Amino acid sequence: ELKVEQNPLFLSMQEGKNYTIYCNYSTTSDRLYWYRQDPGKSLESLFVLLSNGAVKQEGRLMASLDTKARLSTLHITAAVHDLSATYFCAVVDRHTDAGNMLTFGGGTRLMVKP
Amino acid sequence: DTGVSQDPRHKITKRGQNVTFRCDPISEHNRLYWYRQTLGQGPEFLTYFQNEAQLEKSRLLSDRFSAERPKGSFSTLEIQRTEQGDSAMYLCASTDGTNSNQPQHFGDGTRLSIL
Repeated sequence: ELKVEQNPLFLSMQEGKNYTIYCNYSTTSDRLYWYRQDPGKSLESLFVLLSNGAVKQEGRLMASLDTKARLSTLHITAAVHDLSATYFCAVVDRHTDAGNMLTFGGGTRLMVKP
Repeated sequence: DTGVSQDPRHKITKRGQNVTFRCDPISEHNRLYWYRQTLGQGPEFLTYFQNEAQLEKSRLLSDRFSAERPKGSFSTLEIQRTEQGDSAMYLCASTDGTNSNQPQHFGDGTRLSIL
């Protein structure tokens, strides 16, 4: 059974600082997604990572994927308050059928303080 | 592209009642997924459809739950004889099955509260 773990679960950081969120998963996968969720809202797709060594960047966020280590990172550069949200990684289990069902991590709640 | 829409946004009901939620996916998407999210947790997969065919169901989907997508467009999720443990956000997502690498697009969810 595919398990996805994120850490930290909660992150409070000052504006302007850098930090990294980690996502580990337990079985082979070559598709990993990062989503953002604001309180009371739905999930917004941030990044799609499809191969080993993939790196995607958008603004102050950069995501990478290491399929051999079964690890993805979401790096935040010079955080601003608008980045405060909960971030989820989600993985497709390569060994199940072709339905592309997502298994989510528990989420990292990010709070950026002025 | 009007996005994935779900109705209602909130549902409060008494234990033992039946409830039904509706999801309208993005029009050109042939795959539709239902997930459940409890407070402080990530979404958990419940079931998915390719067109009108329900192809996968999670063990989380007890026999009190049933989902349909009769014409391959909108979908309904019904919960019979609701229990306290059914309180959660029910999320619907859709994607284009011809491109398996695309992200799933989520609706705003239906928040179910069981009294």
